[in-house]
Amino acid sequence: EDQVTQSPEALRLQEGESSSLNCSYTVSGLRGLFWYRQDPGKGPEFLFTLYSAGEEKEKERLKATLTKKESFLHITAPKPEDSATYLCAAYTGTASKLTFGTGTRLQVTL
Amino acid sequence: DGGITQSPKYLFRKEGQNVTLSCEQNLNHDAMYWYRQDPGQGLRLIYYSQIVNDFQKGDIAEGYSVSREKKESFPLTVTSAQKNPTAFYLCASSTPGADQPQHFGDGTRLSIL
Repeated sequence: EDQVTQSPEALRLQEGESSSLNCSYTVSGLRGLFWYRQDPGKGPEFLFTLYSAGEEKEKERLKATLTKKESFLHITAPKPEDSATYLCAAYTGTASKLTFGTGTRLQVTL
Repeated sequence: DGGITQSPKYLFRKEGQNVTLSCEQNLNHDAMYWYRQDPGQGLRLIYYSQIVNDFQKGDIAEGYSVSREKKESFPLTVTSAQKNPTAFYLCASSTPGADQPQHFGDGTRLSIL
């Protein structure tokens, strides 16, 4: 059974304090690893897609990386507006199905 | 602006009642999806459709039904057979293919009266 596990469940950072979120996956035949940001009461907003081990993508203060077993979302010098829940999802190509993790709830304080 | 519109934002269901959640997209996407989100759980797939007039069950289809009569629309009916309907329901759409992300609407929160 495909599984995606995210850690930590919650993370509290001070503004400017860099850190990383982890997404480990056990799926058969990964074809894509997606990162989303979700604000309270809203739908997930697409951030990145990673396809192969060693790949990296960046957007503002966020950088996503991928290995054969896990993905990291690095947040550099975060600001309060980066506070959200970050979701990762693995795509195996089985009928376009995504397997989601439970998310990391990030809070960035002044 | 292209996007996915879900309505209503909040919905209340009485015992024994069927309710329908609306999802409309103007992104010209072929594929559409319905997910359920519960606290502490990942999004779970209810139904998906890759083309008009065709849809498949996801992991938790029991107590739900869908239709796909138009490319733009994929309504979800929560039937009285769904005994635990209280959740946040999310609709998504995408172009089929591994490199195409799913784009989400802003959800409908369903509660039991």
